[in-house]
Amino acid sequence: NAGVTQTPKFQVLKTGQSMTLQCAQDMNHNSMYWYRQDPGMGLRLIYYSASEGTTDKGEVPNGYNVSRLNKREFSLRLESAAPSQTSVYFCASSETINSPLHFGNGTRLTVT
Amino acid sequence: QKEVEQDPGPLGVPEGAIVSLNCTYSNSAFQYFMWYRQYSRKGPELLMYTYSSGNKEDGRFTAQVDKSSKYISLFIRDSQPSDSATYLCAFYTGTASKLTFGTGTRLQVTL
Repeated sequence: NAGVTQTPKFQVLKTGQSMTLQCAQDMNHNSMYWYRQDPGMGLRLIYYSASEGTTDKGEVPNGYNVSRLNKREFSLRLESAAPSQTSVYFCASSETINSPLHFGNGTRLTVT
Repeated sequence: QKEVEQDPGPLGVPEGAIVSLNCTYSNSAFQYFMWYRQYSRKGPELLMYTYSSGNKEDGRFTAQVDKSSKYISLFIRDSQPSDSATYLCAFYTGTASKLTFGTGTRLQVTL
């Protein structure tokens, strides 16, 4: 029972490079989310997908794009990475919007 | 004023102590209250989820909600070194899709 799986676990990028963070859940949840976690700022919502086929912006969407590939998978893309995007990124899923979230173990991203 | 206030700690207690972790909030629309535990280099995991004011107990953990004071607490009885982690409070309004988190309190339980 894997829950929410994120890849990669670690990544170092140079400014301007692009990358996609992958997330998959096996709980048959409808809603999926991307958060970033920074010291002193807590968890901040980047984008979410209430259900397959829909995506919406969260608090801090600038510099990111997302794709809800199917019910299981939700990816986060950085088109042109900036040092301000150095963070730990968490994917989460929930049965529906407003249900408790289940988190993956994060991707630690450093942009130099 | 921040929407959620949570003391970052660290809070150090001896094994076996009763731990009290707290959050205050300003948004009276918050209707759902959660506590998450986050171990170092791991994702948050749900500990407690409650809707109403009052207490909810699960093993050594008790969640308390006081909507009139806009204050929630998590009590841990007989604390263990394995309880050493960061504890995050979280809130839903029930209409918006956004879960609002506190910044977390780091707890260290020593032998």
